[in-house]
Amino acid sequence: AQSVSQHNHHVILSEAASLELGCNYSYGGTVNLFWYVQYPGQHLQLLLKYFSGDPLVKGIKGFEAEFIKSKFSFNLRKPSVQWSDTAEYFCAVNSPYTGTASKLTFGTGTRLQVTL
Amino acid sequence: NAGVTQTPKFQVLKTGQSMTLQCAQDMNHNSMYWYRQDPGMGLRLIYYSASEGTTDKGEVPNGYNVSRLNKREFSLRLESAAPSQTSVYFCASTLEGGYSSGANVLTFGAGSRLTVL
Repeated sequence: AQSVSQHNHHVILSEAASLELGCNYSYGGTVNLFWYVQYPGQHLQLLLKYFSGDPLVKGIKGFEAEFIKSKFSFNLRKPSVQWSDTAEYFCAVNSPYTGTASKLTFGTGTRLQVTL
Repeated sequence: NAGVTQTPKFQVLKTGQSMTLQCAQDMNHNSMYWYRQDPGMGLRLIYYSASEGTTDKGEVPNGYNVSRLNKREFSLRLESAAPSQTSVYFCASTLEGGYSSGANVLTFGAGSRLTVL
């Protein structure tokens, strides 16, 4: 079974600091990779995704992530965080060859707190 | 479009009571899912339905049943609620579009917070 590890459980940054959140997955085959964000009191929203092609993907609100196949990693980055980025961030992975449904496996999440 | 709509948003139950969480999507998606979210554990898949008329177990199906009533609706039932089922439940849907299609992205509902006393 797939597993997804997010090693940073709670991150506190000052505004304008740079952000990198780690994500590692266990599946060795072809994968689709996602980062979802959950703002306080809201539902999960897609931040960015990787299916194929350029391993550096850009998402909404200035976020980007780099897929490094040899390291089984898909780390999320942002050069300068804003207070409004305070949220919980979830990495997720699925294999497109496991049947008819896109069953995502989620990491445990990283709570980001941005201080003014 | 409303997207994915879940009801109720909040519910308090006593141990042993039953209830059904409703989910409906208006995006003509094929697949629908029920996840539960618990602190420090992320989201875990309870059940999913790849198409109308089919349902399959996910990672944590015990204590739950589901019904894919039609293409739009996918309900989650707790027959005899237990305190361990206190959680936030999210319904999601996606339009399956093949191995590299951008359609394989889940759209989530707003969540249903369930407390079992």
